[in-house]
Amino acid sequence: GENVEQHPSTLSVQEGDSAVIKCTYSDSASNYFPWYKQELGKRPQLIIDIRSNVGEKKDQRIAVTLNKTAKHFSLHITETQPEDSAVYFCAASVGGGNKLTFGTGTQLKVEL
Amino acid sequence: GAVVSQHPSWVICKSGTSVKIECRSLDFQATTMFWYRQFPKQSLMLMATSNEGSKATYEQGVEKDKFLINHASLTLSTLTVTSAHPEDSSFYICSASGTGTTVSDEQFFGPGTRLTVL
Repeated sequence: GENVEQHPSTLSVQEGDSAVIKCTYSDSASNYFPWYKQELGKRPQLIIDIRSNVGEKKDQRIAVTLNKTAKHFSLHITETQPEDSAVYFCAASVGGGNKLTFGTGTQLKVEL
Repeated sequence: GAVVSQHPSWVICKSGTSVKIECRSLDFQATTMFWYRQFPKQSLMLMATSNEGSKATYEQGVEKDKFLINHASLTLSTLTVTSAHPEDSSFYICSASGTGTTVSDEQFFGPGTRLTVL
């Protein structure tokens, strides 16, 4: 089955800096890669996703890149703000409506 | 649109009792629902996938007789934790995908249910 690895497990940045979180996956059939933000005790919230027919996608301060050959994808957050502090999870699935395999999570802390 | 609710939001029960958690899609038809379990400071682990009207598919290591899943309609799935024990204490989250949403293949998550077994 699919295996998703995520790094780093914790990331501390200064407000205004950029943050990058990286994930690798094992199943070459995976073609849908969402990123979720989860605050303590709450549901995961989709912040951006990318499909395998696209190499990069951007939404304001958030971008995701995908390298299918190397089987890795990354989340980039620019101009970080304190409210970006949360746990971020990457995930992969074969088709978006199918089961997701989650990465281990990254605790992002944005310091003033 | 694409709202998923869960009930209850938290529950405390005694060891040996059973607990039922409901997951509802409020404004779309959930052809597929997923149940996840999340222990503190850990990732979401998929427990099972259920399709409306058919038996759930359980992930390896998840006891189907302990975690009973029913997906009887396109808007409701239930997870029953039978004979709960303290090690079953966790955050249980459902998600749903299906027709009638803006992006049909996206999964929409419920708010989660915090289960504490004494």
